[in-house]
Amino acid sequence: EAGVTQFPSHSVIEKGQTVTLRCDPISGHDNLYWYRRVMGKEIKFLLHFVKESKQDESGMPNNRFLAERTGGTYSTLKVQPAELEDSGVYFCASSDTSGGRNNEQFFGPGTRLTVL
Amino acid sequence: GNSVTQMEGPVTLSEEAFLTINCTYTATGYPSLFWYVQYPGEGLQLLLKATKADDKGSNKGFEATYRKETTSFHLEKGSVQVSDSAVYFCALRVAGGYQKVTFGTGTKLQVIP
Repeated sequence: EAGVTQFPSHSVIEKGQTVTLRCDPISGHDNLYWYRRVMGKEIKFLLHFVKESKQDESGMPNNRFLAERTGGTYSTLKVQPAELEDSGVYFCASSDTSGGRNNEQFFGPGTRLTVL
Repeated sequence: GNSVTQMEGPVTLSEEAFLTINCTYTATGYPSLFWYVQYPGEGLQLLLKATKADDKGSNKGFEATYRKETTSFHLEKGSVQVSDSAVYFCALRVAGGYQKVTFGTGTKLQVIP
């Protein structure tokens, strides 16, 4: 079974441009999460989808970030316009709906975003 | 709120040395605790976990014990290998499995032959 996949693996853009990151969760996983690690700091939560609905978007830094999950399958995270401080590694994770303490979030390889 | 504090890196060890990476946490509620690892060029992988006090998580020779009294979850390995070179993240999750994970800053480990 395929794991969580993310595209692209790397993206280099200039300040002010737009970038869209994509995440394909494990098939059948209703929960999808976005996280990011900026400048070697801790990995921080951005938001959580349950199917196509945003369950928790408390970690979204500002309105330049827009996440969508139309149809409850893959998700996109758009940054528009990108700023220098948006550089970092963006991780996606997914989990099933069991909700128990042993339930695991499976992480993708991440997208490394560099804003010049 | 929830937070995780882990020792600063980078940590450089010789092969077969003993490894300890300290991790302490604060949490509202009863957390599950995790260690994730990111090998060069790869994504985050769950290394081990513990879901209740005094549980010991173990995998690939690594161990960590959930210490509620000291709010700690230190990672240990008796004899590191070059292939263990990676970034290690301590993390917690409160309540159900659908909740967000709170991570520490990561500790980079380099093992030299």
